[in-house]
Amino acid sequence: GAVVSQHPSWVICKSGTSVKIECRSLDFQATTMFWYRQFPKQSLMLMATSNEGSKATYEQGVEKDKFLINHASLTLSTLTVTSAHPEDSSFYICSGQGTDTQYFGPGTRLTVL
Amino acid sequence: DQQVKQNSPSLSVQEGRISILNCDYTNSMFDYFLWYKKYPAEGPTFLISISSIKDKNEDGRFTVFLNKSAKHLSLHIVPSQPGDSAVYFCAARFSGANNLFFGTGTRLTVIP
Repeated sequence: GAVVSQHPSWVICKSGTSVKIECRSLDFQATTMFWYRQFPKQSLMLMATSNEGSKATYEQGVEKDKFLINHASLTLSTLTVTSAHPEDSSFYICSGQGTDTQYFGPGTRLTVL
Repeated sequence: DQQVKQNSPSLSVQEGRISILNCDYTNSMFDYFLWYKKYPAEGPTFLISISSIKDKNEDGRFTVFLNKSAKHLSLHIVPSQPGDSAVYFCAARFSGANNLFFGTGTRLTVIP
């Protein structure tokens, strides 16, 4: 199957700082990429959908000014958590849309102190 | 509002036996269902899917059954192997859309 990478895999930051997470499709071009968040014992919740070259579409309840998404190329999307707070601590997973299904990255564990 | 539900957080099965993972959904407009498998520290990987026009899809040891009237689907793994131990997520999507709605997952442990 297609491969999606995420970097970093784990990050700890202080409250109030910003963190950037990269998502790359390594062997396919992803016109559409998705960002999910998973809190403990909960399901993966879609945060936003990004299409290459255009603005991301955010799900209800997700602050677009806090979670900045950039999808400048067909193989790279970035999520920046601005002014992170402890309640933003979560597991963030991206995916790239393939022909028939989404291919997921390994996830990024964000801990905000 | 959780539209896709997996009510069993965990399941243990003996090696060689059948594993049955269940999933319920509330929105009858979903038209495509998928199962993903997730190992620790990895992203979910696609396992098998089924369209709403079918009631069964089989791929090797994995079979997915869909009961539209009950809004229920299940994943059968037979025979179960220790390497199948992982968290299994079911997901659903609407016609023409790519975004997925996930269940909370079921942790399967296959005991050697």
